[in-house]
Parts: sequence; structure tokens; C-alpha cells
Amino acid sequence: AQSVTQPDIHITVSEGASLELRCNYSYGATPYLFWYVQSPGQGLQLLLKYFSGDTLVQGIKGFEAEFKRSQSSFNLRKPSVHWSDAAEYFCAVRSRGNTPLVFGKGTRLSVIA
Amino acid sequence: KAGVTQTPRYLIKTRGQQVTLSCSPISGHRSVSWYQQTPGQGLQFLFEYFSETQRNKGNFPGRFSGRQFSNSRSEMNVSTLELGDSALYLCASSPRQGENSPLHFGNGTRLTVT
Repeated sequence: AQSVTQPDIHITVSEGASLELRCNYSYGATPYLFWYVQSPGQGLQLLLKYFSGDTLVQGIKGFEAEFKRSQSSFNLRKPSVHWSDAAEYFCAVRSRGNTPLVFGKGTRLSVIA
Repeated sequence: KAGVTQTPRYLIKTRGQQVTLSCSPISGHRSVSWYQQTPGQGLQFLFEYFSETQRNKGNFPGRFSGRQFSNSRSEMNVSTLELGDSALYLCASSPRQGENSPLHFGNGTRLTVT
């Protein structure tokens, strides 16, 4: 069955430290890949997406993600975290064809001073 | 350009009642999707509509239904509410149907069933 796994439920990082959030998917072919962020009481905001081409994609707010086909992964990174980055982050995958967007369970990011 | 608007923001209902949630997509967007978000199950897909036709449906009971109007606005209805229906219901729109069309989300309707 198709699935999206975010292994880390909760991550705490210090402000200014680097960040990597993991995402693995299980699909037959390379799907379309997305990262979304959700602040408390808000909807989801698209950070970045990967469809094809360069495997390192840049997004908003200084985030980037790297697609690794061999590992079926699409990890999100940021070189220096700001306190305002504290939120929940969702990896999402959509396979080619008329299928809905499937989300991982999310990773909650806490940022400490 | 205004974002996706969901009304109401909060709802409190009693078991057995029914509820209707509304979603106005971004102007020009013709595809609308609905998701249910709960702490235990995360984000689960409910429906997707495009040009007033349901294109995809998630694994939810028939108590959950939806529709899309000619102006792309969408409603979802939940009948015979159960306690487990308490959740944040998120609507998302995109310019067109298709796997490479990113979804733009509203802030959701928080439904509490007592």
C-alpha cells in the first residue's frame, strides 16, 4: 500500500542550529512530493514541491528539500532555525494519476533559545 | 488575491445532529479538496471536486457527503454526528485537477461534537 512515513513525531532544536526533518514514501513510481507547514490554529502552507529535474529544491522561508530516489526519501532541511519556525511539518505525496494527496503524520518542531 | 475561506471557524454540535461546512476557493481555482485532521489519525482525505463533479472519495462512511457549485464553492455535510467526528476540517483549492497542482489550504473549521 502507498504510504508516507515521518519517523520523528517531535524534534527540538536550538535557535540558529540546523534542521533536518525526515520523510520516506512507499510508492511504485516517483510521485509528486510536497512539504507543508502548519502553525497552531492555522491551515497548511506549502513550503516546497518536487515534480522532476534537480533533486534539490528550494522553498520559502529558507527551507530546502532533497529527493533521493534510491532511499525513497524527501528530507526537509534548513541551515539555521528561527524561533518562528516552531510549527508542525507535513510531508505529502501524490502518485501520478487521479489520486488524492496523502500526508504523513507530521513532525512537531520546537525551537529553544 | 484572497485565500481559501472556510466558514464557520468553530462549531459545537450534539451527537445525532447534522452539520454543513462551507468553503470558498481562491478566485479562479476550480478544484476543491476536503480533509479531516485529528490528533490520532492525522490528515485524512475526504473528497475532491472539480467542475461540480466528485473526482475522488476517501474511506469515510456515507454520513459524510459534499458538493461543489458552479462558482466552485463547496460544502460538506456530516449527518448523524458522532463523538469521533470532532476534528479540524480543512478545505483546499487548486487551479486545476491533477497531481502536479499544489493545494492551497484554508484555516479550517473546528467541529466539536458533544
